[in-house]
Parts: sequence; structure tokens; C-alpha cells
Amino acid sequence: DTAVSQTPKYLVTQMGNDKSIKCEQNLGHDTMYWYKQDSKKFLKIMFSYNNKELIINETVPNRFSPKSPDKAHLNLHINSLELGDSAVYFCASSQAGGPYEQYFGPGTRLTVT
Amino acid sequence: SQKIEQNSEALNIQEGKTATLTCNYTNYSPAYLQWYRQDPGRGPVFLLLIRENEKEKRKERLKVTFDTTLKQSLFHITASQPADSATYLCALTRSGAGSYQLTFGKGTKLSVIP
Repeated sequence: DTAVSQTPKYLVTQMGNDKSIKCEQNLGHDTMYWYKQDSKKFLKIMFSYNNKELIINETVPNRFSPKSPDKAHLNLHINSLELGDSAVYFCASSQAGGPYEQYFGPGTRLTVT
Repeated sequence: SQKIEQNSEALNIQEGKTATLTCNYTNYSPAYLQWYRQDPGRGPVFLLLIRENEKEKRKERLKVTFDTTLKQSLFHITASQPADSATYLCALTRSGAGSYQLTFGKGTKLSVIP
């Protein structure tokens, strides 16, 4: 069974569109994350979220918003897509309350044209 | 500002040798440091976590050291194999408001040559 899954794997869209990426984890973790990996392979935290709080990296534009329908899911909504949003987006999860290892999904490659 | 540097973008070594990867940081006092492996087209996979009060941690052929005075971590793979070829990422853990976020270095791409 896949621990952390993301859909879609590839997403090609035009500038100005709104899109969503879905993430699900079956590990029973309380904390989920979204990361962005740019063309230079630099992996950067965007959000961390548990059922108590959302922590947003201050550099993330407010066009990006995480939505969690339940503890096992954390979806990423992106409004008014821009060329610079093209990247690979990774979802991850971990236990809460400590510096536990994070389990990453396979990534979603977003291409904005 | 906080900075994490991994010594080289790419490292080539001969099979059977020990690979040593370096992670240096500045303007930061992490309590924990983690190492991950990332293969092309896949998400990072956790390898090891070391705490600031631990000098060394081992797991099979892997060894990590953490020197908070030098602000440096070394990651060793002994008896390296071609299957060890991947990008290795170090990540510092910072905590705040009950959450532990990872800040990653840019990674070192290791190639083990048969």
C-alpha cells in the first residue's frame, strides 16, 4: 500500500487557471506538509498543517492555499497560476509533537504554459 | 539569514570506497538534523536523524556525525555500491508553535562508478 499518494502525477495548464493537487496519507499521521522543488532541485517548505494549526512559509504567495477535509488529506489549491509556479510539488506527512522523519509522496510535476 | 550548504553538487566515487558528504550551516542552531535520499522522479526517503547531543549515528553502511561547534554534519556510506547512486539531502529541523519544519540543503548527487 502506498503510504503517501498524490494526484495527478503530471499537470499541464495555462497561466491564469486555477488548479488543485490532492494528497492522501494512510499512515495515521497528524501532520502534513507541502513542499516545492524548483528546477534547481531546491526543496522548500510551503506549509505544515495539523488539526490544530496551519503554519505558512512567509514566502508563499497567497494564491496558494492548503485545504484539509480530514486528517488523512491535505490538498493544495493554486489560483491564477503563473509561469514561475512550474515546479514539482511534494506532499509529506509525519507524526506530530517531535522532529520525526517525514514520508514524502511521489510528487506532482506542474507545468504552466 | 540562515544558510545550509552541501559541499558539492556532484560527487563521483569508485565502487567499494567510502563516500563522504558534507552539510554545513550558518546562522542556525538546529536541535536535530536529518538526511534523506532522493532518486530521480521520486520523493525524498528518510535515512537517519541525529540529535544535537549525539556525536554519531549508524545504520547498516551509513554513518552520520553532527558537530555543533563546527556547525557541520558528515554523511558516510561505506563499501559504496552503484545502487547508492542518488541525490542526498541534509535537512535541519526547527521547531515553532508545536510544529517541526525541515529546511533542506540543495543536495549532493552521488554517482558510484562500478
